[in-house]
Amino acid sequence: QVHLEQSGAEMRRPGASVRISCRASGYLFTTYKIHWLRQAPGRGFEWLGGINPNYGNSGIAPKFKDRVTMARDMSTTTVFVELRSLRSDDTAVYYCARGGEEFLGHWGQGTRVIVSS
Amino acid sequence: DIVMTQTPLSLSVTPGQPASISCKSSQSLLHTDGKTYLFWYLQKSGQSPQLLLYEISKRFSGVPERFSGSGSGTDFTLRISRVEAEDVGLYFCMHSVQVPPTFGQGTKLEIK
Repeated sequence: QVHLEQSGAEMRRPGASVRISCRASGYLFTTYKIHWLRQAPGRGFEWLGGINPNYGNSGIAPKFKDRVTMARDMSTTTVFVELRSLRSDDTAVYYCARGGEEFLGHWGQGTRVIVSS
Repeated sequence: DIVMTQTPLSLSVTPGQPASISCKSSQSLLHTDGKTYLFWYLQKSGQSPQLLLYEISKRFSGVPERFSGSGSGTDFTLRISRVEAEDVGLYFCMHSVQVPPTFGQGTKLEIK
């Protein structure tokens, strides 16, 4: 069955960077985009962007264009998101989720990122 | 960005009774391909969200028939025909008709 396994919780200082991974299994990796979202306390969900594992190209939300990079490793069927110049309001749970017609039908377990000095 | 507005923000329902949640978008969610990209998700406490309905009314695999969706254009509704205890959680709508996808604020369903 489809499974998305994310890396563990992270704590960073303001100004630092964080990289989160999402390993996909149970389906053909190149068939579906993987999207990244976050849920901040009291702020609901935000879409950061998505990556096409087949070509490695990504689309990033305008709000995050200057600070977010997405990548994939075909050998391990893993996608990555990096968020730079972290601020306290980047504190959130970050999720990966699979695209396709049943958009975001499968989610990772979430990765908590805390940004604090 | 398209603004998604849900009402109510909280709902308390007796088991066995129906419930409905409204979601309104600031722009039409009808794509030029003829599909309407409106989705409903449920996030149970401490869990990742789970997809309930896609393209307004199509039930995702394993979703009980008591969940249904309707609407068009900018006005949409999620209905639960008979609420069960396991339905408690945060319900939210989302669109993907354009970039970026955006979400409603969420509706918290609790059991009376």
